[in-house]
Amino acid sequence: GENVEQHPSTLSVQEGDSAVIKCTYSDSASNYFPWYKQELGKRPQLIIDIRSNVGEKKDQRIAVTLNKTAKHFSLHITETQPEDSAVYFCAASIPGGGNKLTFGTGTQLKVEL
Amino acid sequence: GAVVSQHPSWVICKSGTSVKIECRSLDFQATTMFWYRQFPKQSLMLMATSNEGSKATYEQGVEKDKFLINHASLTLSTLTVTSAHPEDSSFYICSPSSQGKNPYEQYFGPGTRLTVT
Repeated sequence: GENVEQHPSTLSVQEGDSAVIKCTYSDSASNYFPWYKQELGKRPQLIIDIRSNVGEKKDQRIAVTLNKTAKHFSLHITETQPEDSAVYFCAASIPGGGNKLTFGTGTQLKVEL
Repeated sequence: GAVVSQHPSWVICKSGTSVKIECRSLDFQATTMFWYRQFPKQSLMLMATSNEGSKATYEQGVEKDKFLINHASLTLSTLTVTSAHPEDSSFYICSPSSQGKNPYEQYFGPGTRLTVT
């Protein structure tokens, strides 16, 4: 089955700096790659996603890049703010079966003042 | 987005008892339901997948006789933790999916915090 690895497990940045989180996946059939932000005790919140037919997608301060050949994708957050502090998960899904997601191990992002 | 509710939001039960968690998709029909478990400071781990009207498919290592899943309608699924033990204490999250609503995006319930004493 699909295996998703995520790095780093913790990331501390100064407010205003950029943060980058990287994920790799194992199954070349995966075609959908969402990123979630999860605050303590809450459900995961979709912040951006990318499909396999696109190499990059941007939404204001957040961007995701996908390299299908290398089977890795990255989340980029620019101009970080304290409210960006949370745990971020990448995920990958293979078409069919209701789009079962395989999650990465998570990154605890801390934005310091 | 989609409206998904889960009940209860938190529950404390004694070891050996059973707990039922309900998940409802309020504004769309969920043809597939995923149930995840999340231990503290860990990722979401898929427990099982169910399609409306059929038996659930469990992931490796998840006991089907301990975690009973019922997906009797397109808007309601239940997860029953039977004979709960302290190691079952976790955050349980449902995720209804519908090819009709959005073939890619998954929606999540708010989660149920289970504590077994």
